[in-house]
Amino acid sequence: DAKTTQPPSMDCAEGRAANLPCNHSTISGNEYVYWYRQIHSQGPQYIIHGLKNNETNEMASLIITEDRKSSTLILPHATLRDTAVYYCIVRPPGTGANSKLTFGKGITLSVRP
Amino acid sequence: EAQVTQNPRYLITVTGKKLTVTCSQNMNHEYMSWYRQDPGLGLRQIYYSMNVEVTDKGDVPEGYKVSRKEKRNFPLILESPSPNQTSLYFCASSHPGDTQYFGPGTRLTVL
Repeated sequence: DAKTTQPPSMDCAEGRAANLPCNHSTISGNEYVYWYRQIHSQGPQYIIHGLKNNETNEMASLIITEDRKSSTLILPHATLRDTAVYYCIVRPPGTGANSKLTFGKGITLSVRP
Repeated sequence: EAQVTQNPRYLITVTGKKLTVTCSQNMNHEYMSWYRQDPGLGLRQIYYSMNVEVTDKGDVPEGYKVSRKEKRNFPLILESPSPNQTSLYFCASSHPGDTQYFGPGTRLTVL
């Protein structure tokens, strides 16, 4: 599985956009980029995923560079409830053993009032 | 509401006393999986199941058993728990190759 690299932590002010970077320089052409978050030992929560194109949903936007070696998760208007550990995961397509999610250390986002 | 449930949420037990952690999902997902989370080690997969009666080992299966007799349920069994199995456990489910949804977690302490 391709590995991902994330800074250990970052903070942002409430109401501002939070831009969370992720490097995945060894990603293969058919591997997806997934983002999950975990709020204080709760179950990981799915946020968004993408392959090549930028994606947006009600929670966030995902920007993937053209060479696919890095991506950025954008929370457009961060709130205190967005304080969590955010995991960037690269996952191959398919099922079986390929369904396993390999979580790294993630990035701890702290949203300050 | 679509969800993955786990029971119990918290459990303190003693070494060698068999226990079962239940996992149930109401989304008709074929794929189910168990992870454990430990400080500094992240989430690691214990076992997974592609469908009823189809299970396979993940990265850290030693000391655990699973069964998949019904599509919605995927219990995790510790036949003889040991202190090194003290951890936070998560169950997840999905359609094959699709987004996985996680349960709320079970915090297990083995004394």
